[in-house]
Amino acid sequence: AQSVAQPEDQVNVAEGNPLTVKCTYSVSGNPYLFWYVQYPNRGLQFLLKYITGDNLVKGSYGFEAEFNKSQTSFHLKKPSALVSDSALYFCAVRESLSGNTPLVFGKGTRLSVIA
Amino acid sequence: SAVISQKPSRDICQRGTSLTIQCQVDSQVTMMFWYRQQPGQSLTLIATANQGSEATYESGFVIDKFPISRPNLTFSTLTVSNMSPEDSSIYLCSTDREQFFGPGTRLTVL
Repeated sequence: AQSVAQPEDQVNVAEGNPLTVKCTYSVSGNPYLFWYVQYPNRGLQFLLKYITGDNLVKGSYGFEAEFNKSQTSFHLKKPSALVSDSALYFCAVRESLSGNTPLVFGKGTRLSVIA
Repeated sequence: SAVISQKPSRDICQRGTSLTIQCQVDSQVTMMFWYRQQPGQSLTLIATANQGSEATYESGFVIDKFPISRPNLTFSTLTVSNMSPEDSSIYLCSTDREQFFGPGTRLTVL
């Protein structure tokens, strides 16, 4: 069975500093990995995904994520955090590329960027 | 890109009543998924809805409590039946195009 772990409930970072939100996964086959962001009282917004190819994936709003197969990780990163990045971040995994299996989500990490 | 809309966006309901949530996609999709996000929690899959067949429910979710319809390739409904305060959650639909989620329905049960 596939699973995702986000080990940090909360991440605090000063504005302008780099940020990392951690995610590790477990799947039996090839992983297809995703990051989403949820702002207060808003829906789920897609940030980026890893399917295959380059281990460094670039996404929306200046975010990127690095796929590390040996460490089974897919950490979300941004070189310089903004106060507006403060939100809830979810990592998700799917085993099948075809889309006929649902996403499995991590529990979420709340990012707080302090001015 | 697919656009997914949900109705209602939010509702406040009384215990024991039922609410039907609609999910409309602007293009045809094979699979539709319904998720629940309880307060302060992550998303949990309720069921998978494939057009022309019965929905497939995840462990802990049953058809009597969460009946689902999938009449065509662009539309699905989820009903939350005989509601209790524990059903207060955000309910989201998604499709087999994984980037896209509906905006969610915020349900409060009193």
